[in-house]
Amino acid sequence: DAKTTQPPSMDCAEGRAANLPCNHSTISGNEYVYWYRQIHSQGPQYIIHGLKNNETNEMASLIITEDRKSSTLILPHATLRDTAVYYCIVRAYTGNQFYFGTGTSLTVIP
Amino acid sequence: GAGVSQSPSNKVTEKGKDVELRCDPISGHTALYWYRQSLGQGLEFLIYFQGNSAPDKSGLPSDRFSAERTGGSVSTLTIQRTQQEDSAVYLCASSLVRRVAAYNEQFFGPGTRLTVL
Repeated sequence: DAKTTQPPSMDCAEGRAANLPCNHSTISGNEYVYWYRQIHSQGPQYIIHGLKNNETNEMASLIITEDRKSSTLILPHATLRDTAVYYCIVRAYTGNQFYFGTGTSLTVIP
Repeated sequence: GAGVSQSPSNKVTEKGKDVELRCDPISGHTALYWYRQSLGQGLEFLIYFQGNSAPDKSGLPSDRFSAERTGGSVSTLTIQRTQQEDSAVYLCASSLVRRVAAYNEQFFGPGTRLTVL
């Protein structure tokens, strides 16, 4: 599975959009991009995933560049409850494992 | 419905003792994963069970670690002769493996915090 690179930490003002970047320059054609988040003292929670098209659900939007070497998770209106560690993962859909890395610690500031 | 549950939530043990950690996956989920998360670190994959297939044990850090899944449901992670470096949160996840969908979301339990003194 491809490695991902994320900034270790970010701040975002409450009510503003949080844009979390992820680099995955070695991604291969059959690998999907997944995002999970982990709120303090809880297990990780699925957010969204995509292959090459932009995706949106009730939680977030995922923007994947045309060359698929990077992506951005967008939380459109961040709330204090969005403070968490966000993990970007790339994995082939047939893979067994998720390699979580160390993620980006997002702090939403009132 | 009920999510993934794990027990105990906290376990304190002495170095050299054996511990067993339990995971109850979501009913009907055929895939089960164990991860370990040390303080301030990301998740480290340990082992994966899928149906009746042989488990993927490639992430187990040493032969002191073992896991089993009985009846395709409950799983137990056993750590023998615990060491201080085994102290971590042990997370279990389960998923419903769909044959045609490209993705199988993992649902995580709350974890077991293991402290080895």
